[in-house]
Amino acid sequence: SQQGEEDPQALSIQEGENATMNCSYKTSINNLQWYRQNSGRGLVHLILIRSNEREKHSGRLRVTLDTSKKSSSLLITASRAADTASYFCATVPDDKIIFGKGTRLHILP
Amino acid sequence: DGGITQSPKYLFRKEGQNVTLSCEQNLNHDAMYWYRQDPGQGLRLIYYSQIVNDFQKGDIAEGYSVSREKKESFPLTVTSAQKNPTAFYLCASSGTGVAGAEKLFFGSGTQLSVL
Repeated sequence: SQQGEEDPQALSIQEGENATMNCSYKTSINNLQWYRQNSGRGLVHLILIRSNEREKHSGRLRVTLDTSKKSSSLLITASRAADTASYFCATVPDDKIIFGKGTRLHILP
Repeated sequence: DGGITQSPKYLFRKEGQNVTLSCEQNLNHDAMYWYRQDPGQGLRLIYYSQIVNDFQKGDIAEGYSVSREKKESFPLTVTSAQKNPTAFYLCASSGTGVAGAEKLFFGSGTQLSVL
């Protein structure tokens, strides 16, 4: 069963603009994580936010978590061409990690 | 260098054949996972293991088998019972925190195709 669902499925923006992706999930969680995947490669961990945290920053990334709405958002500021990739949220309801279907982000030059 | 190694990068399966995908980690992680990714889709959990000699089914375990005889190794066998095995297979490992699984480290994947 798919726990997390990202929105939008695909997003194209101009270089330098900010990109926002959302994730909704169904059950209570211990933590929520965001990953990036370049085409044909493995996933790379970006950031983890715990269920008792509301916001977290890492470089150009900002993640928010609203457990009452069972949703999270990932903001990438000042986008670059190298940010072109698929982005996945992953929820941790117990001892396993469940991924959504991802948002495909394309940064236009 | 610490990390996860998957091999082979490309694998072809003939009708009725079992094939085994290798996954090795030297991160001293207790937990290991196998995911399947179809084109344009997210990751679906096949099997996971929290400790040596123990593993649990994920959402799509039918047609697959695993073993965890050593902490660093978690091979996945795609059996002939899996009728649609063409996909990108990803292995991952993680440490385990007090409140559930932590950051996953991924291998570079194996692309399995049917001849």
